[in-house]
Formats: sequence, structure tokens, C-alpha cells
Amino acid sequence: DVKVTQSSRYLVKRTGEKVFLECVQDMDHENMFWYRQDPGLGLRLIYFSYDVKMKEKGDIPEGYSVSREKKERFSLILESASTNQTSMYLCASSSTSGSFGELFFGEGSRLTVL
Amino acid sequence: GQNIDQPTEMTATEGAIVQINCTYQTSGFNGLFWYQQHAGEAPTFLSYNVLDGLEEKGRFSSFLSRSKGYSYLLLKELQMKDSASYLCAVGSGGSYIPTFGRGTSLIVHP
Repeated sequence: DVKVTQSSRYLVKRTGEKVFLECVQDMDHENMFWYRQDPGLGLRLIYFSYDVKMKEKGDIPEGYSVSREKKERFSLILESASTNQTSMYLCASSSTSGSFGELFFGEGSRLTVL
Repeated sequence: GQNIDQPTEMTATEGAIVQINCTYQTSGFNGLFWYQQHAGEAPTFLSYNVLDGLEEKGRFSSFLSRSKGYSYLLLKELQMKDSASYLCAVGSGGSYIPTFGRGTSLIVHP
């Protein structure tokens, strides 16, 4: 069974803390994504990656960075967490070889910044 | 950019049929996705349309009209477990990165 695993389901952090959200996929997918999901706003793309060590900004990259050192792992980093980054964060992966880009999502990480 | 519109909320009765609409404006359209998301869970893929017409998959069907920038998701024989958010997402340009609408929350009542 295909799987995207996010390291933490729930996190509570303080303003100014550095936060790492980890995501691992076991499908050998080339593409990985980080979205945030907020009520009334839907899913918004933060960053994505087409390959190891490659990253591209999505629609709302401000305040975030990412790292992809290995194909299966894509990390989202909040250098200095702020209260407006309280949200549900969803990682996803997809393949570009022989497919139309169906996204496979992790269970999500709900981050609260106090 | 892209503009994707879908109703915020819909209600329906168990056993009935419901149609969730999605309209979009985009350049370089390369496909439209529907995802289902139950509360507190990850979105899961339902359907993909790239050509005009109706794609049927069990109780769920998805329709696309590229000329009208319009799609709908049709759910038949509604069950209580169909209560969820339904996300319309459009792929465009040279990439397979979909842009999501804000989602439609469907409430199925007895």
C-alpha cells in the first residue's frame, strides 16, 4: 500500500521557535509538495520539489523553506514560527512517469504557534 | 493565475443524488481532479478528467466541459459516509501541479 508519512500529527510551538516538519514517501515519486490548509481558504501550495536538491516556490513561500536531500524525504522548515503559521500542513507526492500527476497525501500535521 | 470556484457547502439526503459544480479559468489546461477529504483526514483521489465528457466510477461520476471551464462531481445513492469535503483541482501549464479550489463541504443527513 502506498504511503506518505508525516512525522508529527500535532505540534505546539512558541513564537520564534524553529520548526521542522518531515515527510517521507515510499513510492519512489519524483515530485513532493507542501501545502497548508486553512478554513475557507482551501489548500495552498507552499513549496514543491521535482527532484533531489531541487525546490520551487509555490503560491505562499514566505516564512518557509524546504530541504530535499533524499528522494523519499521532503522537509518543511519554519525558521521563526509566527502565530499566523498556525495551520494544517499537508505533504503530498506524485509521479510524472506514466501518470497524470495524481497526488498522494500524508495525514497532515496540525501546527499551533502560541 | 487560476480562478477556481465551487460552492462552500451543500446538504443532501441519504439515498439521493447530489451534483457538486466547479468552474475554472486557466491557461494551458491539462486536467481536472476531484479529491475527497473526510474531517481530520488526508485528501484522497476520486477522479481525473482531461477530455470532455463523463467518467463513471461506481456511485461517483465526474464530468468535464473544457470549452465552458466547467466540471461537476455526481454522487449517487448517497450514504452517510459521503459526508466530507470535495476538492476540485485544476492542472495547467507544463506541469502537473494542481491548483485547488476552496472545497465544498457536503453534509448528508438521514
